[in-house]
Amino acid sequence: SQQGEEDPQALSIQEGENATMNCSYKTSINNLQWYRQNSGRGLVHLILIRSNEREKHSGRLRVTLDTSKKSSSLLITASRAADTASYFCATDDLYNNNDMRFGAGTRLTVKP
Amino acid sequence: EAGVTQSPTHLIKTRGQQATLRCSPISGHTSVYWYQQALGLGLQFLLWYDEGEERNRGNFPPRFSGRQFPNYSSELNVNALELEDSALYLCASSFGQGVLALHFGNGTRLTVT
Repeated sequence: SQQGEEDPQALSIQEGENATMNCSYKTSINNLQWYRQNSGRGLVHLILIRSNEREKHSGRLRVTLDTSKKSSSLLITASRAADTASYFCATDDLYNNNDMRFGAGTRLTVKP
Repeated sequence: EAGVTQSPTHLIKTRGQQATLRCSPISGHTSVYWYQQALGLGLQFLLWYDEGEERNRGNFPPRFSGRQFPNYSSELNVNALELEDSALYLCASSFGQGVLALHFGNGTRLTVT
């Protein structure tokens, strides 16, 4: 079964705009990760935020984590056409042997 | 450093046959995860191996099975193939359990006709 749910399912923006994607999850976790997938290929790790962290930055990426609401957001600033991809959040279930579970993803389209 | 490699890239089988998918993790990685991704959908967790042992499996029937070899490479077997098994099968590896980032291969596209 899936752990996280991304919102929205699809997002279309213009180049230069910011993109915000949200993720909700159900159980207690050690960490939450965001991944990117270009069409039909493997996922690429973007950023990891631990359960005791509230915010993390990496280049144009900003991730927040609210463990009380069991939710996270990924912000991509100054988006580029090359950011067009699907974005997934993944969590490790603290009480289910730490395996990694993914949400259904947000499909981001950045128009040039 | 070589990434996670999966073979074959594409596999076409007919209903009722068996499929074997292979995965070689990044050197030094001991954990291997298998996921199924049906067209346009998210990743469904299949199996997780670490240090040669099956640590957990997702909500899939027993005809989905696998193993991890002493060199940490892994094999996913799908018996009695059904049409709905058509999907991209992704393998990922990490160094040890949990916490760490997963490194994915580019997957095996299985088509069942």
